[in-house]
Amino acid sequence: EPEVTQTPSHQVTQMGQEVILRCVPISNHLYFYWYRQILGQKVEFLVSFYNNEISEKSEIFDDQFSVERPDGSNFTLKIRSTKLEDSAMYFCASSGSRGGLNEQFFGPGTRLTVL
Amino acid sequence: ELKVEQNPLFLSMQEGKNYTIYCNYSTTSDRLYWYRQDPGKSLESLFVLLSNGAVKQEGRLMASLDTKARLSTLHITAAVHDLSATYFCAVIKAAGNKLTFGGGTRVLVKP
Repeated sequence: EPEVTQTPSHQVTQMGQEVILRCVPISNHLYFYWYRQILGQKVEFLVSFYNNEISEKSEIFDDQFSVERPDGSNFTLKIRSTKLEDSAMYFCASSGSRGGLNEQFFGPGTRLTVL
Repeated sequence: ELKVEQNPLFLSMQEGKNYTIYCNYSTTSDRLYWYRQDPGKSLESLFVLLSNGAVKQEGRLMASLDTKARLSTLHITAAVHDLSATYFCAVIKAAGNKLTFGGGTRVLVKP
């Protein structure tokens, strides 16, 4: 069964450093998303991406964040200068459609720890 | 702004008994999703509810949607230990595509 994959599973970085989190969405899906979950809290939407551009973003997704689909399979989230409060689990998701079911399938997550 | 609220936040269950988790949301939506999350793991899709009166069942779990009341329920029948997890509901606002999650209900099933 196709699934969303993410690398790395755990990333430790120093405050102020840049990190890139990588995702490979399900191959025939068209919509891609990043969500984050601070430990013990609810899942929060960051950004959605369709047709090589951002379709929606939250207020969390400020200028420090960017997304890219550098080739036909990868979808990346870059945090330019990490802060302590960026420590969270980051989930990538993909879906095949916008309307209808729009069932989003989540990857296993990348745990980001900012020291 | 769409708000999604779940209650209770924590549910201690006895094996064999029945329980219900409630999910209220604040604005018009006709797409509601239930996910399960095990500790340290990702989100597993349980149900997609697309219309008023929709009811879906899988094993001991049954989800329903009342769009007029803006309420979904997740009913657990004869709880077993394997159902221990955190359950999230999430809503997509009409014409949108981002999921807005509730705060989650942590379920612990004790023997």
